[in-house]
Amino acid sequence: IAGITQAPTSQILAAGRRMTLRCTQDMRHNAMYWYRQDLGLGLRLIHYSNTAGTTGKGEVPDGYSVSRANTDDFPLTLASAVPSQTSVYFCASSREAGETQYFGPGTRLLVL
Amino acid sequence: ELKVEQNPLFLSMQEGKNYTIYCNYSTTSDRLYWYRQDPGKSLESLFVLLSNGAVKQEGRLMASLDTKARLSTLHITAAVHDLSATYFCAVVRNAGNMLTFGGGTRLMVKP
Repeated sequence: IAGITQAPTSQILAAGRRMTLRCTQDMRHNAMYWYRQDLGLGLRLIHYSNTAGTTGKGEVPDGYSVSRANTDDFPLTLASAVPSQTSVYFCASSREAGETQYFGPGTRLLVL
Repeated sequence: ELKVEQNPLFLSMQEGKNYTIYCNYSTTSDRLYWYRQDPGKSLESLFVLLSNGAVKQEGRLMASLDTKARLSTLHITAAVHDLSATYFCAVVRNAGNMLTFGGGTRLMVKP
């Protein structure tokens, strides 16, 4: 079934640890995005990629990094997790930048 | 900076009633999206509105866009329990490609 997969589904992480959230899409979409969703704050864009090989910073990029080595994968790395990074993380993709975005199932992350 | 505000933040309504959710945004935009999110689930695309006066309808939901007023509405007709969810609007800034989301409207439809 075509779509977006994210892994892990959920994770409990000790502060200071490094963590990579995985995102894969099989729709051959050029653009991909990472958001975090916090209660009362809606979704905020962390990083985006308009096409393979390029990335850009969103609204809340600090503490996060991304790479886009190919069309399908867009991993998000927390180099040294802090409790304020406790959130639900959604990956999304769109055929081209600015078009309708399709969201993955999310990763629930708790940093202690 | 583009700001997107939704109201109300929370809406409890009886089945069969009509209501409207409002989405205001602060700068010129040429594209507005509405998404639905069920508790603990991902976001599902409902509508994309591309021009002033655009109106889209799907079942009991109808969305409209007034770019001059920088306002979109999501109208619910004869609500049913299955419409209970959180609804988000999201706006793309002109000549941009990043979505800015509103804070969401949590809708509860009671039998």
